[in-house]
Amino acid sequence: EIVLTQSPATLSLSPGERATLSCRASQSVTGTYLAWYKQKPGQAPRLLIFGASSRATGIPDRFSGSGSGTDFTLTISRLEPEDFAVYYCQQYGDSRYIFGQGTKLEIK
Amino acid sequence: QVQLVQSGAEVKKPGSSVKVSCKASGGTFSTYAISWVRQAPGQGLEWMGGIIPIFRTAVYAQDFQGRVAITADESTSTAYMELSSLRSEDTAVYYCARGPEHTSYYDTSGYPYFFDFWGQGTLVTVSS
Repeated sequence: EIVLTQSPATLSLSPGERATLSCRASQSVTGTYLAWYKQKPGQAPRLLIFGASSRATGIPDRFSGSGSGTDFTLTISRLEPEDFAVYYCQQYGDSRYIFGQGTKLEIK
Repeated sequence: QVQLVQSGAEVKKPGSSVKVSCKASGGTFSTYAISWVRQAPGQGLEWMGGIIPIFRTAVYAQDFQGRVAITADESTSTAYMELSSLRSEDTAVYYCARGPEHTSYYDTSGYPYFFDFWGQGTLVTVSS
C-alpha cells in the first residue's frame, strides 16, 4: 500500500511569505490521482488542488500544485491570514484513498 | 450545488454500534459514490470506505473490514455508515464526502479521484 509522507509536519511563516509543502509517495503515483485539501479547525476539508496541479473552483491563484512520480508540492505564493491551516495530500487508486498525515501551517 | 448534511453527534458505550447518516441534495444521488472519512481528535484524515448507491455494493479500507457497513437509500438520497464493536479509539469526527459533478474525474469503477463535496462532520464519542 502506498504511503504519503508530508513534510514538514509544522511550518511557521509570516503573512506575505511563500510556503512550500511537500508530499512524498512511497511509490510512483499518477499525478491525475493526487489532490490537496485545506482544513481549518472545526471545519470539513476543502479541496484546493486536483490532478496534482489544477486549482479547484474558487481557489485563488496564489495556490499552485506541481510534481510527478513520487514528489509533489503545494506552493502558496504569498500567505494571507486565512491560509494558516492544516494541509493534506491525498492519493486515489483502485477505488481506495490514502491521505498524508498533514502539514500544519502556523503563523510565526 | 451538491450539499451533504449529516446526522448529529452521538455518544456511545464501548462495544456498541453507531449509525451515521448523510443526506444528499442538489445533484444526482444514485450514480455518484459517497465515501466516509474519519478524523480522530488532533489526527489526520482516514478513508473508511465508500458506496455507489445504484450498485449497492460497498468497498472498505482494510483497517475497517468486518466492522463497518456502508449502505445507501436511493429513495431518500441518504447514505449511512454503521460502525460496530466501538472502542475508545473510534472517537472521531466522521465525514461523508463525494466527488465532483463532472464524470471525467471518475475512473471506470465509478469512484472519483478526489472529493469536492463534504458533509459537516458528525462527532462520535465512545466512552463508558
